[in-house]
Amino acid sequence: GAGVSQTPSNKVTEKGKYVELRCDPISGHTALYWYRQSLGQGPEFLIYFQGTGAADDSGLPNDRFFAVRPEGSVSTLKIQRTERGDSAVYLCASSLIAGTGANVLTFGAGSRLTVL
Amino acid sequence: AQSVAQPEDQVNVAEGNPLTVKCTYSVSGNPYLFWYVQYPNRGLQFLLKYITGDNLVKGSYGFEAEFNKSQTSFHLKKPSALVSDSALYFCAVTPPEGSNYQLIWGAGTKLIIKP
Repeated sequence: GAGVSQTPSNKVTEKGKYVELRCDPISGHTALYWYRQSLGQGPEFLIYFQGTGAADDSGLPNDRFFAVRPEGSVSTLKIQRTERGDSAVYLCASSLIAGTGANVLTFGAGSRLTVL
Repeated sequence: AQSVAQPEDQVNVAEGNPLTVKCTYSVSGNPYLFWYVQYPNRGLQFLLKYITGDNLVKGSYGFEAEFNKSQTSFHLKKPSALVSDSALYFCAVTPPEGSNYQLIWGAGTKLIIKP
């Protein structure tokens, strides 16, 4: 597609529920990234995919968080047993390639998650 | 620890006046420097970057930024502000040995342009 698409744009759930957030990157972009942004802060890195594999998942806060990219395009971020502290905007980004610090990321509009 | 500072939470400028959004960094070596802008309900958009070469970098929407190595700063500037420039601006830095997702982000500066 023309840009990075994220769905849903807003998700309200109850504590303890399971949530899936979807990211559709720019066509042809092999690298895909998930970030989390809290109010008044810059994005916090969660996980990075190169193709189908998670090249770096060091930013995932705990084992309740998991992400997949089975066909090397669309990715899903999965959060189990949600907690109120998970409330944030989850951003997805993609880039043509990864590896060098000079490459620019293209971000989606984000999925705002609210855990009640 | 490596860090990026945006000392102003908010900057208010009258339309037509020049604007400056400040950014300083504490990163070893010669980092790569970026500015991104975030409009309400929209994703972060790349504005400009400094990799090497001329210290004055020109980017999208008439913005420019000046890299100052001695002051470890990368301030964002525009000669004449527009109301449509009102948004949240983020400075980010990557150590040259790092990958493009290993950005160190500032906390953001809200820019308000008043008619």
